[in-house]
Amino acid sequence: GAGVSQSPSNKVTEKGKDVELRCDPISGHTALYWYRQSLGQGLEFLIYFQGNSAPDKSGLPSDRFSAERTGGSVSTLTIQRTQQEDSAVYLCASSLAAAYRTDTQYFGPGTRLTVL
Amino acid sequence: RKEVEQDPGPFNVPEGATVAFNCTYSNSASQSFFWYRQDCRKEPKLLMSVYSSGNEDGRFTAQLNRASQYISLLIRDSKLSDSATYLCVVYGGSQGNLIFGKGTKLSVKP
Repeated sequence: GAGVSQSPSNKVTEKGKDVELRCDPISGHTALYWYRQSLGQGLEFLIYFQGNSAPDKSGLPSDRFSAERTGGSVSTLTIQRTQQEDSAVYLCASSLAAAYRTDTQYFGPGTRLTVL
Repeated sequence: RKEVEQDPGPFNVPEGATVAFNCTYSNSASQSFFWYRQDCRKEPKLLMSVYSSGNEDGRFTAQLNRASQYISLLIRDSKLSDSATYLCVVYGGSQGNLIFGKGTKLSVKP
């Protein structure tokens, strides 16, 4: 079946602009995660959605970052007033996850964001 | 001390070699452990979970040492297709999140 999809695959923007990144999880997966991976760095957790529960936003680096998940499916990560340090690959993952966050996470191909 | 630490490598080995990666974690309350594989400019994919008693999946063997807080991955009879970055991943528990190491790069040469 279809995996996790993300769009756009690449995004180049100017400093100060807002960007929206989209994630379509695997159908039926209730858990959705956003990570970012900077060059040479590990994955950095950003935000977690589980069903209709309030999202875990503990990983968002600043109030310029926000995310929503509509109808328990598609998610959008928004970065306002982008800065050069926001340049990274933004990865979305989904899992069946019920009670625990350790279910296998299936990652999308990522969006490579470059802020000039 | 970083939450999850790995030797970044690269490990350059010939085909057929056996190679081992170690990973240490700082949170002694960590409950679950995994190895993910990430190919160049691709997304991470689960390679295997790591169980307390150790587990094997074909040429891959994972082990956990809770007392010393380290996890290992052994790859036997390396193939060219094993070339990738191997990410050590730890779940801290208490509804925390997966913590990813920066990865160890493996390059298998003919």
